[in-house]
Amino acid sequence: SQKIEQNSEALNIQEGKTATLTCNYTNYSPAYLQWYRQDPGRGPVFLLLIRENEKEKRKERLKVTFDTTLKQSLFHITASQPADSATYLCALDPHNQGGKLIFGQGTELSVKP
Amino acid sequence: GAGVSQSPSNKVTEKGKDVELRCDPISGHTALYWYRQSLGQGLEFLIYFQGNSAPDKSGLPSDRFSAERTGGSVSTLTIQRTQQEDSAVYLCASRLAGAQSTDTQYFGPGTRLTVL
Repeated sequence: SQKIEQNSEALNIQEGKTATLTCNYTNYSPAYLQWYRQDPGRGPVFLLLIRENEKEKRKERLKVTFDTTLKQSLFHITASQPADSATYLCALDPHNQGGKLIFGQGTELSVKP
Repeated sequence: GAGVSQSPSNKVTEKGKDVELRCDPISGHTALYWYRQSLGQGLEFLIYFQGNSAPDKSGLPSDRFSAERTGGSVSTLTIQRTQQEDSAVYLCASRLAGAQSTDTQYFGPGTRLTVL
């Protein structure tokens, strides 16, 4: 069966450290993989997109890696800040599906000062 | 410019009643998506509209759910004879181009539906 999984437990880290979130999937062939941030009571906000033929993408303090052999994406936040505390969602954008996204359940990140 | 808006922000209804949820996408966006997010769960795709094409309804959980998009803009998601398991946050997103592309989806704030 098709499945997409993220770290099920909340991630608690100290300010200034690097947060690493994991997204694993099975039985999909995504054209793109996207990461979103969601704050309580709000809709998801797009952060980064990585294509199937890309290994790594960076944006400011964010870095995403994509390994289509391992079927895994890692999402890193360097020099984390309390304002980074939120739930982070990974989403697959499969081939020929019109862009309808398949989401993981999200990982809650808490950055302590 | 305004983002995606949804109304109402909260809806409490009694089991068996019908509800309508509204989504106003970003102007000019041709693709519109509805998702559902149950407590502690990821977003679940419901339905997708692209321009004038027939909608992709493959994610609708039952025939009590339907949606329409008038004039290629505003969309309404209707749930008939609501059940308690329909309680969730219903999220709408729009995208500039519906074909496979790198255009990101912009989400609205969602409608929190509670069925008593």
